Amino acid sequence: DIQMTQSPSTLSASVGDRVSITCRASQSIGNWLAWYQQKPGKAPKLLIYKASTLESGVPSRFSGSGSGTEFTLTISSLQPDDFATYYCQQYNTYLYTFGQGTKLQIK
Amino acid sequence: VQLVESGGGLVQPGGSLRLTCAASGFTFSSYEMNWVRQAPGKGLEWISYIRGTGTFTYYADSVRGRFTISRDNAGNSLFLQMNSLSVEDTAVYYCAREDYGLDYWGQGTLVTVSS
Repeated sequence: DIQMTQSPSTLSASVGDRVSITCRASQSIGNWLAWYQQKPGKAPKLLIYKASTLESGVPSRFSGSGSGTEFTLTISSLQPDDFATYYCQQYNTYLYTFGQGTKLQIK
Repeated sequence: VQLVESGGGLVQPGGSLRLTCAASGFTFSSYEMNWVRQAPGKGLEWISYIRGTGTFTYYADSVRGRFTISRDNAGNSLFLQMNSLSVEDTAVYYCAREDYGLDYWGQGTLVTVSS
């Protein structure tokens, strides 16, 4: 199985900050990577697919990059609504796998 | 697009449950579907996939041989039959549509395995 490792596990930041979250795959997954945002008690929301394509309706302050084994989610200027937990997910091969999550909290 | 899960509840270890995901607002048979779960306070765990035609299915190691995914395209429904449940299966179970990532999710249904 492909293992996905996110870093950091927790990130403290302030409104207006630029932040990045990294996701590493245990083997190459091409660009078959998605990013999700989840708020407490809610279902995850797709932000980015194919590593860098923004899902419709997602603000442009979110961006994704990378290919192969290393990927990054960047939020260019944090807004209050962005404090949540973020997950990466590979869909290069069945069985799909998620990263362990990164909790973005207010500093 | 709407996905609504049902069928969760309290079950004893070793028991069974069948989850249903009712889909609407899109051509159900054209989309691959997945089940993802989240144990209390934990991260997301993908558990199963089914192709639009229902011909191919895949499972995470943690549920293979115990869980069965299926679908009824005429009834716009996705199912997860869960057998031999253990306390480690306690989680919120989500169904999710796949289209370059999991683009629509249900609200989830809670399964609690406890004696």
